[in-house]
Amino acid sequence: AQSVTQPDIHITVSEGASLELRCNYSYGATPYLFWYVQSPGQGLQLLLKYFSGDTLVQGIKGFEAEFKRSQSSFNLRKPSVHWSDAAEYFCAVGSGSARQLTFGSGTQLTVLP
Amino acid sequence: EAQVTQNPRYLITVTGKKLTVTCSQNMNHEYMSWYRQDPGLGLRQIYYSMNVEVTDKGDVPEGYKVSRKEKRNFPLILESPSPNQTSLYFCASSLIPGGADEKLFFGSGTQLSVL
Repeated sequence: AQSVTQPDIHITVSEGASLELRCNYSYGATPYLFWYVQSPGQGLQLLLKYFSGDTLVQGIKGFEAEFKRSQSSFNLRKPSVHWSDAAEYFCAVGSGSARQLTFGSGTQLTVLP
Repeated sequence: EAQVTQNPRYLITVTGKKLTVTCSQNMNHEYMSWYRQDPGLGLRQIYYSMNVEVTDKGDVPEGYKVSRKEKRNFPLILESPSPNQTSLYFCASSLIPGGADEKLFFGSGTQLSVL
């Protein structure tokens, strides 16, 4: 069965600092990987996704993620965090044609002024 | 405007009283899905549908029913709600999953409390 682990429940960074959110997955074949962001009281919004090809994926709002098959990881990064990035971030893995998407438990990001 | 609409936004009910949470999308998406979100557990998939009259169980289907009689609508039915179904529920839709353009669109959520 597929699974996703986000080891950091809560991360605090200062505005302007760099950010890396960790995501490790378990999946038997080539995974479909996603990062979603949830602002308070809102649904989830897709930041970026990896299906195949280039392992460094660019997303919206200046985020990027790198797929590392050898480490079963898909970490999310941003070089300079803005106060508006404060939200909860979810990593997810999907099975493609069957489309059973499994989400991690989320990482809450706090941005200090 | 492309959107997924869930109703109601908030719902308080009592144990055993049947309820339906509606979900509608205006993007002609084939795929629709229901999730519940609980603190520390992230989102867990309840049911999904690949097209009209095609539904399948997700990870936590017990106590829930769904139907997909029309492409745009995918209601979630709790025949006999129990307190452990108190949760935040999200509906989502997308084009057929697995394609390069795949992107899930989420509704704003339904906060359900079962007393």
